[in-house]
Amino acid sequence: GAGVSQSPSNKVTEKGKDVELRCDPISGHTALYWYRQRLGQGLEFLIYFQGNSAPDKSGLPSDRFSAERTGESVSTLTIQRTQQEDSAVYLCASSLSVDTGELFFGEGSRLTVL
Amino acid sequence: KNEVEQSPQNLTAQEGEFITINCSYSVGISALHWLQQHPGGGIVSLFMLSSGKKKHGRLIATINIQEKHSSLHITASHPRDSAVYICAVWGASGSRLTFGEGTQLTVNP
Repeated sequence: GAGVSQSPSNKVTEKGKDVELRCDPISGHTALYWYRQRLGQGLEFLIYFQGNSAPDKSGLPSDRFSAERTGESVSTLTIQRTQQEDSAVYLCASSLSVDTGELFFGEGSRLTVL
Repeated sequence: KNEVEQSPQNLTAQEGEFITINCSYSVGISALHWLQQHPGGGIVSLFMLSSGKKKHGRLIATINIQEKHSSLHITASHPRDSAVYICAVWGASGSRLTFGEGTQLTVNP
């Protein structure tokens, strides 16, 4: 596609449910990043992928969070047993390469945990 | 102390004024990004720098690697420049992107 696509754009879920957020990066971009932005707060780096590998997962807030990427393309961020503090906009970005490429952002997935 | 510090946190200007936003960082980096986030939430990458200076339209970004400092300048500011400007650095170890808290810019007509 022409840009980074994220789905769903909005997700309302009940506490304790699992959610999956999807990111389709720009074709050919080897680097993919997940961020989180809570209401009124700054951007929080979660994880990045170089190809299908995630070299550093320490940015994930807890072991309820996991992410994978397949085919050097689509990535899924999964949050298990959601909590109210997980409510945020989850942003995905991609770039041609890690640390040297311009970042292209998706519109984000707004997650609300009731 | 945050690894990336921006100043000022808030900036109000009159249309036409020259604006400077500063970013200081404490770690070795391989690249620095300036991002713009509009009130609707969308984020746009303005610049990626590893040295020197870049210019795009009315925007200029500079970086001084020795002093661990970068500036974003806006010439002839316009109300449509009102947004949050975010500095982010990619550490030299290449493990993560660290963000500043952002600078809220408001340009009044």
